[in-house]
Formats: sequence, structure tokens, C-alpha cells
Amino acid sequence: QVQLQESGPGLVKPSETLSLTCTVSGGSISGHYWSWIRQPPGKGLEWIGYIYYTGSSNYNPSLKSRVTISLDTSKNQFSLKLSSVTAADTATYYCAKYECTSNVCYYLGYWGQGTLVTVSS
Amino acid sequence: QTVVTQEPSFSVSPGGTVTLTCGLSSGSVSTNNYPNWYQQTPGQAPRTLIYKTSTRSSGVPDRFSGSILGNKAALTITGAQADDESDYYCFLYVGSGIWVFGGGTKLTVL
Repeated sequence: QVQLQESGPGLVKPSETLSLTCTVSGGSISGHYWSWIRQPPGKGLEWIGYIYYTGSSNYNPSLKSRVTISLDTSKNQFSLKLSSVTAADTATYYCAKYECTSNVCYYLGYWGQGTLVTVSS
Repeated sequence: QTVVTQEPSFSVSPGGTVTLTCGLSSGSVSTNNYPNWYQQTPGQAPRTLIYKTSTRSSGVPDRFSGSILGNKAALTITGAQADDESDYYCFLYVGSGIWVFGGGTKLTVL
């Protein structure tokens, strides 16, 4: 059973870069697609983007200029960096695994528990 | 930018049937958008209910069903129970590697 665990600072200052890591256990990061999603307090879910184990990625157009998702197969981890953060980036950040067949992805099958990141000075 | 639309809120009586919908600002939802539905209760991560329009995820009761109704994806709960009171999100593939969540529907069972 795949398990995902987010980790990183819970508090980030405005204009700085938010950095989070998702550690995957119970399965290999290789061969799969991985995603980040966020949810501001009291609001809905927002897809941030995904990365394939080869390193190819795709991002939400509204965040694309500030987002980088990368991975480290040796550590079975993937990461999120969001630059120039403001209070609007305060959210619970989730990592998740796509379920795919023959490189066509259909849904997010496994989720981490989420981690709250607050942007404040 | 593509917007995925859901009813902000819905109410259903215990034992009743409710259909939540998921639309696309750019046109009709089809099976090629691989509609997903997730259930979320406060403080918890989302749980997958339905994927590929109508496939129930493992362990999901058969009172949950997915379909395409007209030009929208739909989630129907037949015989609603108290613990179905949750937020429900649809998630669509809109092309070019981009996925979009709907704004969510808050379902009240009373």
C-alpha cells in the first residue's frame, strides 16, 4: 500500500520560496506520475501540477511562473517549490499519486494527509 | 482559463437521492475528460469515490454512482446517509496535460 507524507516548514515569509517534500513509501516513485494539490483554509481544492518519474512536468497555468516540481528517485521523494509567496498561498498542501494506464492518467489514487503552510511575516 | 463548475451547496433528506453536477466553462464534459469525484470531510484528505466517469473506487458503496448527464458529469447518491454529509469535488482533465478541480459542493443531509 503506497503511502505519501508531506514535510516542510509550516511558516514562510512573504516574498520567499515555499519548499515542500513528499516522501513515498510502500512503492517506487519510478514509473509513476506524482502531483501537488493545495486547499486554502475554508476553500476548495486547486491542482498545482504533476511530474513524471522521468522529470517531465506540467503546471497549473495560473501558477506556472512560480512553481517548480522536481523529484529525487534515490530518496523516493518529490518536491514542490513556489516562489514569491503571498498570504494568498496560505493553504494545506497535499501530495498525491496518479493512477495511470499506458501513460494515460485517470485519477489521484493515493493522497498524503496534507500539511498546512502559512505565509506571514 | 478553463473553469469547472459545481453547485456550491445541496441538501438531501436521509434515504433520498441527490445528483451533483460538474460542468465545463469551455463546453461539454465527456468521458475524454476522465471525470473524477472526491469526497472530503473537515480536516481530512480527499477520498476517491469515482474515476473514469463511472468506476467506483475500492470500498466505495454502490449508492454512489457516476455518469454523464447531458453536457455535464454527474455524481448520484441513492439512499443518502448521514455520513454522506461532506464536500464533493469533481476533477477533470481539460487537455494539454492540465487538470482542474471544480469549486466543490457542500452536501447537507437533513
